[in-house]
Amino acid sequence: AQSVTQPDIHITVSEGASLELRCNYSYGATPYLFWYVQSPGQGLQLLLKYFSGDTLVQGIKGFEAEFKRSQSSFNLRKPSVHWSDAAEYFCAVGAQSNTGKLIFGQGTTLQVKP
Amino acid sequence: EAGVTQFPSHSVIEKGQTVTLRCDPISGHDNLYWYRRVMGKEIKFLLHFVKESKQDESGMPNNRFLAERTGGTYSTLKVQPAELEDSGVYFCASSQVLYSPLHFGNGTRLTVT
Repeated sequence: AQSVTQPDIHITVSEGASLELRCNYSYGATPYLFWYVQSPGQGLQLLLKYFSGDTLVQGIKGFEAEFKRSQSSFNLRKPSVHWSDAAEYFCAVGAQSNTGKLIFGQGTTLQVKP
Repeated sequence: EAGVTQFPSHSVIEKGQTVTLRCDPISGHDNLYWYRRVMGKEIKFLLHFVKESKQDESGMPNNRFLAERTGGTYSTLKVQPAELEDSGVYFCASSQVLYSPLHFGNGTRLTVT
């Protein structure tokens, strides 16, 4: 079955520390992978996406993610977290035929300590 | 450019009542999607419109849910009659073409008591 797993429901990091949010997927075909962020009271905003090519993708707000086919992973990273990064982060996978029909992970809530 | 707009932002209704959620996509976006997040669960796909046609409604939970997109502009999602398990946040998203990124609205939080 197709699925996305975000193993960490809640993560707390100190401001300025590095961040890695994990995402593993199970998908039969070539996956199109996404990371979205939702700040309180807001809609989901696309951080970055991977369709093909370079497996290290850069996104907005200083985020990057690396696609590792052998590990079925698409982990999100940021070298130095800012207090404004506190939000809920979602990993998602889409089909080639319809990248808007997404399967989401459960989400990871990031708390940033001053 | 105005983003995806959803009305209302919150709705509290009693079990058995009817509720209609509305989504106004970004102008010119032919693709419109509805998603739902039930408390503590992941966000799940409900259905996909291309203009006024339902392209994929495989995620609709049952026949108490009816989605329409008259004229290929705004869309409505009606729940009739509402049940307790329908509580959650309903998201709408739109995209210009199939491979362009989704733009999400802020969601409608539905509480059925």
